[in-house]
Amino acid sequence: GQNIDQPTEMTATEGAIVQINCTYQTSGFNGLFWYQQHAGEAPTFLSYNVLDGLEEKGRFSSFLSRSKGYSYLLLKELQMKDSASYLCAVDGSNTGKLIFGQGTTLQVKP
Amino acid sequence: DADVTQTPRNRITKTGKRIMLECSQTKGHDRMYWYRQDPGLGLQLIYYSFDVKDINKGEISDGYSVSRQAQAKFSLSLESAIPNQTALYFCATSDLRGGGPDTQYFGPGTRLTVL
Repeated sequence: GQNIDQPTEMTATEGAIVQINCTYQTSGFNGLFWYQQHAGEAPTFLSYNVLDGLEEKGRFSSFLSRSKGYSYLLLKELQMKDSASYLCAVDGSNTGKLIFGQGTTLQVKP
Repeated sequence: DADVTQTPRNRITKTGKRIMLECSQTKGHDRMYWYRQDPGLGLQLIYYSFDVKDINKGEISDGYSVSRQAQAKFSLSLESAIPNQTALYFCATSDLRGGGPDTQYFGPGTRLTVL
């Protein structure tokens, strides 16, 4: 079957660094996406990885290891506005159909 | 103006009623999707369409139907709403042209409550 796992909740302190992990088991792989979703709002695109390694975008970085079926999203210099859910999604079949994890709710505390 | 719009934003209806949720986009994307989101669960794909003549079922299509009226419009219907269809519904669009990833862009969502 196809499965994506993320921790349900995480808490971190303003100014700190947090790593949100995602493991996946899919029949194929054509890329992994990270989305941010504030409560009651639409998911917004953060990053995309298709090759192994680290992609950096300002305070956010995303890492992929295809052999391990593993990705993480790294958030640096946390701000209160980073409190949100972070969704990991895999394109498992090159059809544009994404398989989403249940999301990790991150709470940033002062 | 938003690139992907959904109407209505909120809807309360009764069991057995027919409901239509509408999605419009100005991004010029060929691909459109409907998802539902329940508390504590990820986004689940209901239907998707890669062009006007292409409609495909997703993971949870039972109880739903769709219509792709034009490249820019994709509607989701609940023929006879039931309480367990109470959820947040998102429309999304994407486009493979340009050689980049098939990134999906989401509308603001429709919160549907079925009593």
